[in-house]
Amino acid sequence: QVQLQESGPGLVKPSQTLSLTCTVSGGSISSGDYYWSWIRQPPGKGLEWIGYIYYSGSTYYNPSLKSRVTISVDTSKNQFSLKLSSVTAADTAVYYCATRGDYYDSSGYYSWGQGTLVTVSS
Amino acid sequence: QLVLTQSPSASASLGASVKLTCTLSSGHSSYAIAWHQQQPEKGPRYLMKLNSDGSHSKGDGIPDRFSGSSSGAERYLTISSLQSEDEADYYCQTWGTAFGGGTKLTVL
Repeated sequence: QVQLQESGPGLVKPSQTLSLTCTVSGGSISSGDYYWSWIRQPPGKGLEWIGYIYYSGSTYYNPSLKSRVTISVDTSKNQFSLKLSSVTAADTAVYYCATRGDYYDSSGYYSWGQGTLVTVSS
Repeated sequence: QLVLTQSPSASASLGASVKLTCTLSSGHSSYAIAWHQQQPEKGPRYLMKLNSDGSHSKGDGIPDRFSGSSSGAERYLTISSLQSEDEADYYCQTWGTAFGGGTKLTVL
């Protein structure tokens, strides 16, 4: 059972870069069994997929955020990270990390982190 | 462009059944999706992966009251014997990417 824990600053100033890390336990990123995602939820709104990374470093981003997003992986620390540049108040949200199995894996594995609130304010 | 459409709200009585719908946009009717539940003031909880043929695999500890089915571009989540704790927001997601807007389920 893979467990995920987000960490990072809870307050970021406008125009700066938001940086979060997700620490994985109970499984190894380098196993290649899963894809590693970031998802966010602004207060009172729905879920928005940000992007995902595979252990090899290949990434796929939401086109609406692609120009500002970088997701990276550190297999030695069993962590993956999110950077979102040029933030505004609209980026205020609870940020979740999550993991899922391959599309063709019949087990349908999926796990969520507990989420961390990031507020963008001066 | 891949879009998932959900009705904003639904309601059903305690002990009854309800069927929530997620519609995949044109050209994406073969996609598998995930269903997630988000109870008030909590993080999302994974319910199941639902394939285009209606086969599904549920997450750990998900009760048998939750089931999934498919028809064309529609993906369904059926909750039977509704309980008060089923009152929540329900989101569909293509397996790994875009989310629908969510359906707020009220248990009467």
